Amino acid sequence: KQEVTQIPAALSVPEGENLVLNCSFTDSAIYNLQWFRQDPGKGLTSLLLIQSSQREQTSGRLNASLDKSSGRSTLYIAASQPGDSATYLCAPSEGLNRDDKIIFGKGTRLHILP
Amino acid sequence: EAQVTQNPRYLITVTGKKLTVTCSQNMNHEYMSWYRQDPGLGLRQIYYSMNVEVTDKGDVPEGYKVSRKEKRNFPLILESPSPNQTSLYFCASSILDPRGTQYFGPGTRLLVL
Repeated sequence: KQEVTQIPAALSVPEGENLVLNCSFTDSAIYNLQWFRQDPGKGLTSLLLIQSSQREQTSGRLNASLDKSSGRSTLYIAASQPGDSATYLCAPSEGLNRDDKIIFGKGTRLHILP
Repeated sequence: EAQVTQNPRYLITVTGKKLTVTCSQNMNHEYMSWYRQDPGLGLRQIYYSMNVEVTDKGDVPEGYKVSRKEKRNFPLILESPSPNQTSLYFCASSILDPRGTQYFGPGTRLLVL
């Protein structure tokens, strides 16, 4: 069964710094991996979806990388801003079949200090 | 605007009183899913639907029912709510299956007394 770990659970950094959020998963047989953002008490917003055949995916100041063989993904945030404060969750697929669900990590709670 | 809507957003009820949380999407998505989110446990899937009239259990289906009579709607039914169903509930949809980009509703915060 796929298990997803995100470290650290919480992170505070000054505005302007570049930062990396980590995600590890136990089963490397994934179809893809998604990164989501969740603001307090709100729904999740998809940030990036990276296919198993890809090494990385970029959107604006965000870059997600995937090393499927080692069961790791990172989300890189460049030039962090207070508006980036949120919880970030990674979610690899459970397997390779069409109805295999995605499994969520518990998230990294990010606080950007003005 | 493409979106997933849920109603109600907040609900306080008492043990045993049947309730329904509605979910609707306007993106013609085939896949829909319900999750609950609890502190320390993260997001767990309750039920999902791959298409109209096709539903299946997720990881924590006990105490819940769903139906998918129309493509756009996927209501979550609690026939006899109990306090351990107090949680934050999310509906999500994706164009074909769970591997696609998932779009989430704003959440329903439920308190069962």
